[in-house]
Amino acid sequence: DTAVSQTPKYLVTQMGNDKSIKCEQNLGHDTMYWYKQDSKKFLKIMFSYNNKELIINETVPNRFSPKSPDKAHLNLHINSLELGDSAVYFCASSQEGGGNYGYTFGSGTRLTVV
Amino acid sequence: GENVEQHPSTLSVQEGDSAVIKCTYSDSASNYFPWYKQELGKGPQLIIDIRSNVGEKKDQRIAVTLNKTAKHFSLHITETQPEDSAVYFCAAGGGGSQGNLIFGKGTKLSVKP
Repeated sequence: DTAVSQTPKYLVTQMGNDKSIKCEQNLGHDTMYWYKQDSKKFLKIMFSYNNKELIINETVPNRFSPKSPDKAHLNLHINSLELGDSAVYFCASSQEGGGNYGYTFGSGTRLTVV
Repeated sequence: GENVEQHPSTLSVQEGDSAVIKCTYSDSASNYFPWYKQELGKGPQLIIDIRSNVGEKKDQRIAVTLNKTAKHFSLHITETQPEDSAVYFCAAGGGGSQGNLIFGKGTKLSVKP
């Protein structure tokens, strides 16, 4: 029973398209996150969200937007995809925010923009 | 905000040897320090963590030490095995204004049989 599940696992798309990545957690956690991992394996926070607050990393382009239909889901929408968006995107969740608890990560979505 | 430096970026050891990965952090308010292991094609997985009220923690072959004064913490893996080969990330959190875990840039550990 997967704790944090992301779909799709692989996504290949053309420049300019709009795409979404879905994330669901069944851990009952309050806070969810999106991270971007580039080719050098650096993990960069994009968003953190609980039912009260969305925190956006100021370096993230506004073409990226998180959408949370409920506490267990945080989907990532990307508009007008660019070549530089190619990366692995990880969803994660934690019991609470604030960096006081470990994160549980999904298995990642490898996005390739051609 | 918090900044986490991790060294080395790559580490190669012989099976059975020990491996040590070191991290430093900048925000003295940080009080939670987890370590993650990422195997090829998978997401990072929490392997051990330590809070600032503890100086050392062990779990079988892995241990983490924390020096709050110097603001550094380390991961120690003893009797390494080929399945320990992975990318390891340290992180710091629980303090400062950013409110999230801040990750180091990772260490690629290779254990040669």
